[in-house]
Amino acid sequence: SQQGEEDPQALSIQEGENATMNCSYKTSINNLQWYRQNSGRGLVHLILIRSNEREKHSGRLRVTLDTSKKSSSLLITASRAADTASYFCASNTGNQFYFGTGTSLTVIP
Amino acid sequence: GAVVSQHPSWVICKSGTSVKIECRSLDFQATTMFWYRQFPKQSLMLMATSNEGSKATYEQGVEKDKFLINHASLTLSTLTVTSAHPEDSSFYICSAPGVTANYGYTFGSGTRLTVV
Repeated sequence: SQQGEEDPQALSIQEGENATMNCSYKTSINNLQWYRQNSGRGLVHLILIRSNEREKHSGRLRVTLDTSKKSSSLLITASRAADTASYFCASNTGNQFYFGTGTSLTVIP
Repeated sequence: GAVVSQHPSWVICKSGTSVKIECRSLDFQATTMFWYRQFPKQSLMLMATSNEGSKATYEQGVEKDKFLINHASLTLSTLTVTSAHPEDSSFYICSAPGVTANYGYTFGSGTRLTVV
């Protein structure tokens, strides 16, 4: 399977804390993307980082990419209860698009 | 921005019947559509890739005769689950590549299929 791995599988934090999720993938990529999914809903694109980029910011989101380790991390700063959702990384090889196993984030108000 | 409209949002059907799920790109042309299946608390598994005007490409282990994919136009791709069984109950989601290289893929809102 080309599916990537994410850890932790589940994360529970207090509102205001930072949340870090890690993702590993298996093949060379064009870019890596992070998505958010609320329960029973479709996915919402959060941020895309290209293979020649090492770090990217978008609002409270910070993504890093280490192509030598085939890994990426997503940091959500100053978390809010509304950030509660599942987060998936997706590695884009150009021809295919593979999702990680996901991290379920719960932010406690 | 790019929007993919997926219908129905949910469907309940009897075993042995067929169900069609539609995904439409509303403000862009989607020459490619990806179809995923997601079981509860699990990640999305790519089932097949549909390309407008040609046969779909199925992932290993996905029965092409059971999951019929049609991409007849640049704005419409359909997935038909034929002779559905309870084990086909799942969340099905389509997605299309973004309109620019820097834009992520656009996903439909998903279809919850329950086969009874």
